[in-house]
Amino acid sequence: DTAVSQTPKYLVTQMGNDKSIKCEQNLGHDTMYWYKQDSKKFLKIMFSYNNKELIINETVPNRFSPKSPDKAHLNLHINSLELGDSAVYFCASSQGRANEKLFFGSGTQLSVL
Amino acid sequence: DAKTTQPPSMDCAEGRAANLPCNHSTISGNEYVYWYRQIHSQGPQYIIHGLKNNETNEMASLIITEDRKSSTLILPHATLRDTAVYYCIVRAEEKLVFGKGTKLTVNP
Repeated sequence: DTAVSQTPKYLVTQMGNDKSIKCEQNLGHDTMYWYKQDSKKFLKIMFSYNNKELIINETVPNRFSPKSPDKAHLNLHINSLELGDSAVYFCASSQGRANEKLFFGSGTQLSVL
Repeated sequence: DAKTTQPPSMDCAEGRAANLPCNHSTISGNEYVYWYRQIHSQGPQYIIHGLKNNETNEMASLIITEDRKSSTLILPHATLRDTAVYYCIVRAEEKLVFGKGTKLTVNP
């Protein structure tokens, strides 16, 4: 079983559309994250949730809204998609909030046309 | 925002040890050093972490200098599958901040 799974793996859409990426972890972890990797390969944290509570929000445009229905899921909704949103989005989880190793999903490649 | 400095690229012969250096001269006393790697088109993978003592696990060894201003990740017998970008990270608060990493190429 995949520890951290994301769907879809690829997402191609038009500018202006609204889309969602789902993430689930079966590790029993309390903390989940969303990272964005742009075309220059920089990995930047976007959000972090601990037990369904938002703990990190890295000045991401409010078109991005994470939602955590339970601590095993952290979904990412993106409204009014822009060309600059094209990137690979990685979900991750960890047992705790600090000094814990992160387990990453395999990524969702988002292409906005 | 990264607090570490790594060489952009390195090469290593298959079967030989790969030694990846990292400078973190501004590290504070309670910050850990983490190493992750990202194989092409995959999510980052945890390798090892340490505070001040040297650490070893099934994947690698981590050597941290006594002043903690630098560290070295050692892959004892590199294989072609170890070709990846290796990130040295000093844990800042509750988040991992990734730098540019070192692109390690293991050659046959």
